Amino acid sequence: QKEVEQNSGPLSVPEGAIASLNCTYSDRGSQSFFWYRQYSGKSPELIMFIYSNGDKEDGRFTAQLNKASQYVSLLIRDSQPSDSATYLCAVKPSNAGGTSYGKLTFGQGTILTVHP
Amino acid sequence: DVKVTQSSRYLVKRTGEKVFLECVQDMDHENMFWYRQDPGLGLRLIYFSYDVKMKEKGDIPEGYSVSREKKERFSLILESASTNQTSMYLCASSLPRNIQYFGAGTRLSVL
Repeated sequence: QKEVEQNSGPLSVPEGAIASLNCTYSDRGSQSFFWYRQYSGKSPELIMFIYSNGDKEDGRFTAQLNKASQYVSLLIRDSQPSDSATYLCAVKPSNAGGTSYGKLTFGQGTILTVHP
Repeated sequence: DVKVTQSSRYLVKRTGEKVFLECVQDMDHENMFWYRQDPGLGLRLIYFSYDVKMKEKGDIPEGYSVSREKKERFSLILESASTNQTSMYLCASSLPRNIQYFGAGTRLSVL
């Protein structure tokens, strides 16, 4: 089982719809969760981070975390063609007795296409 | 504003050459990372550093080494470049709260 799994894509949604991106993780002790957006040929850029169970909203983006189910999601409301990109889920693993020095485990990414 | 600068956007090298990829951050971050990204394989961690002169292997360190002589600079070295090291290389830095900031990336082609 992969440590961080994202829903297989590509995901295609019409402009104005809600895009739902999902991520599950295997390390139950994980504490910090991140969503990055990566445009083709560019580097990842942070969209949101979430540390506590529940929802966190920032503009059109909402991150949802459920630690009991080991599940984190990203909702994009009113999707725009400019949202078309690969979305990476990243998880900070638990220390397990050592220190991870800020290491993150990344999922494979989900390609999102928003069509007009 | 956060800034992570990679020295080259595109690089073409020949098999067997020694290759240096440079990364500089201006945020006084302790942690710095080198990844490579390949289609279908996602981001894979090569090496990371948590302090000056301190380094740890990531998931795919073979064929690479790193150097961190100053806090702001983290270098990735390909001792003898091979064609299977053709890839996009991404540098990142982070504070202990773990938000990683990425540089623009270096697309390396080894011929």
